[in-house]
Amino acid sequence: GEDVEQSLFLSVREGDSSVINCTYTDSSSTYLYWYKQEPGAGLQLLTYIFSNMDMKQDQRLTVLLNKKDKHLSLRIADTQTGDSAIYFCAETHASGGSYIPTFGRGTSLIVHP
Amino acid sequence: NAGVTQTPKFRILKIGQSMTLQCTQDMNHNYMYWYRQDPGMGLKLIYYSVGAGITDKGEVPNGYNVSRSTTEDFPLRLELAAPSQTSVYFCASSYPTARGPSYNSPLHFGNGTRLTVT
Repeated sequence: GEDVEQSLFLSVREGDSSVINCTYTDSSSTYLYWYKQEPGAGLQLLTYIFSNMDMKQDQRLTVLLNKKDKHLSLRIADTQTGDSAIYFCAETHASGGSYIPTFGRGTSLIVHP
Repeated sequence: NAGVTQTPKFRILKIGQSMTLQCTQDMNHNYMYWYRQDPGMGLKLIYYSVGAGITDKGEVPNGYNVSRSTTEDFPLRLELAAPSQTSVYFCASSYPTARGPSYNSPLHFGNGTRLTVT
C-alpha cells in the first residue's frame, strides 16, 4: 500500500477555508512537507513541519500534525482562485543514511466563485 | 539564480528511439532526483543520487539509466522508448541540512519535460 495517502479532489467556494488531509504510515518520519503544483509547472515547497511540532502557521496557511494518528493537514484560510492547484504531502525519514522523500498522489483543489 | 533547469520542455519519440533528458542545478545541492508524474498517480521516483559518482534506483527504474559525473548535472537516459514511458518527467535537487538528530531536505523542482512516445 501507499506510504502517504491523500484524497484526490477538493472543491471549495472562494473566500471559504480549505482543508487538505494526509495520512502517513512511517512512525520514524522526521519532516513533513506540503508542495503546490500549478498547471504546467513543477512542484514548489509551500511549508514544512518537524515531527516534534503539532502546529505551524504561515500567513494564510496552517499545518496541523497529529503524530499519534500519523495525520497531517493543510488549512488555507480565505481561499482564492489563485490557490487552485494540486497539493502534495510528502514525508522524509532516514533510510540507509539517505533522506529520500515519499510523496502522496496529490489533492486537486478547485476554487469556484 | 536559475535553480533546477530541465531541457527539453517537450519531446515526441517514436517507439524504439532513445533520448537523454537533461537536468542541471546551480545551487550546489548534493542530492538529485528523477521523478515521473502520471495523471492521478502522483510522483514515482525513478533514480536518485546523493552525490557525484553515486546513483541508486528508485521505485520505477526499468527502462532508464542515469549518470552523475558532476555535482551540477544529472541526465536521464531512455533507451528503446516504449508507450508506457509517456509521462511528465521532473528533476529535483536538495541539500539535506542537519537539524539535531534528523535532516530537513526540501526539494527544488525543475519545470518538467513532457514526453510522448508513439
